[in-house]
Amino acid sequence: DQQVKQNSPSLSVQEGRISILNCDYTNSMFDYFLWYKKYPAEGPTFLISISSIKDKNEDGRFTVFLNKSAKHLSLHIVPSQPGDSAVYFCAASPKNSGGSNYKLTFGKGTLLTVNP
Amino acid sequence: SAVISQKPSRDICQRGTSLTIQCQVDSQVTMMFWYRQQPGQSLTLIATANQGSEATYESGFVIDKFPISRPNLTFSTLTVSNMSPEDSSIYLCSVGGQVYGYTFGSGTRLTVV
Repeated sequence: DQQVKQNSPSLSVQEGRISILNCDYTNSMFDYFLWYKKYPAEGPTFLISISSIKDKNEDGRFTVFLNKSAKHLSLHIVPSQPGDSAVYFCAASPKNSGGSNYKLTFGKGTLLTVNP
Repeated sequence: SAVISQKPSRDICQRGTSLTIQCQVDSQVTMMFWYRQQPGQSLTLIATANQGSEATYESGFVIDKFPISRPNLTFSTLTVSNMSPEDSSIYLCSVGGQVYGYTFGSGTRLTVV
């Protein structure tokens, strides 16, 4: 049972345009959400996060939106750059329960390609 | 954020053998996490390792197959024992928490033949 779903395995956008990566989750115990970027032969790199008490968090070109009622979050990259081409993972962490707030559940990732 | 040195970066191993993966962190951390990413799949947590105590394994993972050591607050190893081709994956260690995010090692790409 996949608790974090990234239904688009790949996405291709033009440089300068907006990239929108989507993520859905099923576990209502998740209260913290993160996006990671992964280049080939490297480990995932933390990008941006959002707590369930917020519906938006912005950091430069990256904005994450959270819709709790729909159990949906999205990552917007504006403007997209060729260097953004990577696999993007959505991850979620549950409420604190004996230390289990440290556990991350990942989606399968979306390969973003930004074309010059 | 912490910097993690993970090795080996890749290995090709014969079935039935074991491989030990090492992670060294540049600062003291309470918890270290070990993940597996099978081809085309998401990262899956194998176990959480605290210094001075037995690792806590997730459902589907057992200590006999994936023994973990955590001798101090900056180092941990994961052994993949009695390997089969199904163990071919990328293995990653990680440290951190919700406040500052999680940092990952660069991963170990294991191929079992």
